[in-house]
Amino acid sequence: EIVLTQSPGTLSLSPGERATLSCRASQSVSSNYLAWYQQKPGQAPRLLIYGASGGATGIPDRFSGSGSGTDFTLTINRLEPEDFAVYYCQQYGSSPNTFGGGTEVEIK
Amino acid sequence: EVQLLESGGGLVQPGGSLRLSCEASGFTFRSYAMSWVRQAPGKGLEWVSTLSATGGSTYHADSVKGRFTISRDNAKNTLHLQMNSLRAEDTAVYYCARGGDSYFLFDHWGQGTLVTVSS
Repeated sequence: EIVLTQSPGTLSLSPGERATLSCRASQSVSSNYLAWYQQKPGQAPRLLIYGASGGATGIPDRFSGSGSGTDFTLTINRLEPEDFAVYYCQQYGSSPNTFGGGTEVEIK
Repeated sequence: EVQLLESGGGLVQPGGSLRLSCEASGFTFRSYAMSWVRQAPGKGLEWVSTLSATGGSTYHADSVKGRFTISRDNAKNTLHLQMNSLRAEDTAVYYCARGGDSYFLFDHWGQGTLVTVSS
């Protein structure tokens, strides 16, 4: 099973700043099948990025994904108030699909 | 608009059973793989089970294999999760999710239903 380690656990930033979230896999993610989800308190997760860098439908272009192999990054440019949330990475290239432990982006 | 509405959660004793349902609308249900993903209180996400569009292929996490069964009724646009031999560690919000380009890429999620296993 592929273990995904997200860092940092918590990121304290101000609106307008850039957020850089990391997701490291214990082994190479097949076909770069790496997704990112956003979850706000009391809400369901929402798909942001798929295939490491593809933007899901309706996602603002300030969200971008990059990386390959075992190292992936989610970047949020110019944080908006609604972006403060928990972010999870997921690999879906190998069975079983697995999620990282999450990174909370909080208001500084 | 894609909508997924879960129901069936509640309080159950250890060793008991519960059946969750997910009613889908806004898309051609029979064309998509569907899954259940859970989240224990204050914890992260854990994939539980996936069922192919036709219902011919099922996949379960090791933690629920032999205890949980996923099924679907394409005529009623409904997904089910039959949960037997429930344990305290099954306590979680259970989300229904639609498969995207891959069975295991979850592109739309329901709001979830809470299952509490406790005596």
